[in-house]
Amino acid sequence: SAVISQKPSRDICQRGTSLTIQCQVDSQVTMMFWYRQQPGQSLTLIATANQGSEATYESGFVIDKFPISRPNLTFSTLTVSNMSPEDSSIYLCSVEAGQGAGEQYFGPGTRLTVT
Amino acid sequence: QKEVEQNSGPLSVPEGAIASLNCTYSDRGSQSFFWYRQYSGKSPELIMFIYSNGDKEDGRFTAQLNKASQYVSLLIRDSQPSDSATYLCAVTGGSNYKLTFGKGTLLTVNP
Repeated sequence: SAVISQKPSRDICQRGTSLTIQCQVDSQVTMMFWYRQQPGQSLTLIATANQGSEATYESGFVIDKFPISRPNLTFSTLTVSNMSPEDSSIYLCSVEAGQGAGEQYFGPGTRLTVT
Repeated sequence: QKEVEQNSGPLSVPEGAIASLNCTYSDRGSQSFFWYRQYSGKSPELIMFIYSNGDKEDGRFTAQLNKASQYVSLLIRDSQPSDSATYLCAVTGGSNYKLTFGKGTLLTVNP
């Protein structure tokens, strides 16, 4: 499995501002993903971060709200733009790595509170 | 639209007992099945995956898959208080690499 780090681990932000979350992996990976986990809920996929091209967003998530960068095979950022209290959540990056069954490993997450 | 269903629990078992966690899925094309453990305030941790019908054992954990019934389960033998967590079932399949998660089952192991 890969070792994944995220920064920041948590933040408290004011509504209307933006926060960029970084995800760093200790090895090159092809597939990288961003998820949201709202309080008491399961994980929802926001987008797949594609290296060298635009991210692929899931239904209900748009690039203007959640711009994603993937400059290389070990790093990605997710920005939460023009935040509202409804964006308060845990944001997780994951990578597909392992034995080829599609298993994903998660970073430690970023806990975001919007006031 | 893929769906993954789990009993939300909480499931409470005494220490040393077998905990049985269940999951059903809607997409017959699903190919790989994953169990994640999530402690409160932590990120999900992959504990098992299975893609062939039958049982797969790893230490105290056994994953069971029945594709005909679209059913996957996780058994935890000799349950310990440290096993207390939310267990998430996830499914992927075919050319679709995306994981679809269930809502998770909260397991409490009582000393």
